[in-house]
Amino acid sequence: DAGVTQSPTHLIKTRGQQVTLRCSPKSGHDTVSWYQQALGQGPQFIFQYYEEEERQRGNFPDRFSGHQFPNYSSELNVNALLLGDSALYLCASSPGQGDYEQYFGPGTRLTVT
Amino acid sequence: GESVGLHLPTLSVQEGDNSIINCAYSNSASDYFIWYKQESGKGPQFIIDIRSNMDKRQGQRVTVLLNKTVKHLSLQIAATQPGDSAVYFCAEKLNYGGSQGNLIFGKGTKLSVKP
Repeated sequence: DAGVTQSPTHLIKTRGQQVTLRCSPKSGHDTVSWYQQALGQGPQFIFQYYEEEERQRGNFPDRFSGHQFPNYSSELNVNALLLGDSALYLCASSPGQGDYEQYFGPGTRLTVT
Repeated sequence: GESVGLHLPTLSVQEGDNSIINCAYSNSASDYFIWYKQESGKGPQFIIDIRSNMDKRQGQRVTVLLNKTVKHLSLQIAATQPGDSAVYFCAEKLNYGGSQGNLIFGKGTKLSVKP
């Protein structure tokens, strides 16, 4: 059983560009959450998707947007990249929105130059 | 700012000793807590969770203690092994009046196990 998978593993972009990160949840999971983890910090919640809709959102600007597909996979899009967007982007899936364990993927390391 | 923090940013222990990692939280509305382990280059890995109606939960070599009076959470690792070396995060989940909130993570504690 594959766990949470993310692609790509590493990405280098230039300031002002746009980026799309992808996530496939663990089998049987229908809820996907995205987190940003700056170096030396804990993950910060970006947003959560359930039934193809954004259900909750953290304190991130509108430049951060997402999508969930019918097969529960998800994308995170970031527009007008800033140097400060450089971080590890983590996807986590769970079997619902309640008090369930969130399984994390290995993350995508984004570097903005 | 972040509501979940750790008392010690780094912890060094001898192999075979017990480790205790502490965490303070500030949201009384939090009703679910999780400890994660993150090794270099990997995503956080679930260790153990506890709900607010409990004060202790045990897993394999790990125990989580919850003290709601002082808003304190701890992770105890018995017979610490070199493979336990990692950064440990506590996370809390706020209960927004019935709908479940997102996870709020602290900054983490780096555990180093000396052979």
